[in-house]
Amino acid sequence: GPKVLQIPSHQIIDMGQMVTLNCDPVSNHLYFYWYKQILGQQMEFLVNFYNGKVMEKSKLFKDQFSVERPDGSYFTLKIQPTALEDSAVYFCASSSDWGNYAEQFFGPGTRLTVL
Amino acid sequence: EQQVQQSPASLVLQEAENAELQCSFSIFTNQVQWFYQRPGGRLVSLLYNPSGTKQSGRLTSTTVIKERRSSLHISSSQITDSGTYLCAMEHPSGSWQLIFGSGTQLTVMP
Repeated sequence: GPKVLQIPSHQIIDMGQMVTLNCDPVSNHLYFYWYKQILGQQMEFLVNFYNGKVMEKSKLFKDQFSVERPDGSYFTLKIQPTALEDSAVYFCASSSDWGNYAEQFFGPGTRLTVL
Repeated sequence: EQQVQQSPASLVLQEAENAELQCSFSIFTNQVQWFYQRPGGRLVSLLYNPSGTKQSGRLTSTTVIKERRSSLHISSSQITDSGTYLCAMEHPSGSWQLIFGSGTQLTVMP
């Protein structure tokens, strides 16, 4: 089926540093998402993005977070500065449509460890 | 309140047995997806099933939207089926975000 790729698979950084997580969505998809899963906890929605804009964000999407997709390249999640509580697996997803019958396709996740 | 409830929380089977996993929603939704999460964390989409019954190989999902529930049946389980099965629904506000359950941890023994 359609594949979403995420780079890197693992990232270890020191608290306070900046990190950028990269997502290569399904090629004809227009809607993009980030989810966060802390170890042993539920997957939670962070943000969705369409046509160059954030459409919705949850309370987990702190001011230190930003997303963009410059010129149709990677869809990125940037955290600046990072905090210990940002340690989690971050999943990217994409869909071809919005709302009903818009299946979301997920990437394998990036495991972020903040020391 | 948990908007997506999954049961059982854990399930242990002998190889070749069938598994029945349940998902219920506290509110109405138009969108249900089932996922498998490998022990290392990688997420695999299993079935997208907003309503009715869908089958993929040994997996069958039945969603009854008006009763706010969905089930996933795994037939002839294999050791490699072990992992966490997640159910997710569309956020009720009409926004396009998925709300996940806590999952069913499946262990298939030889």
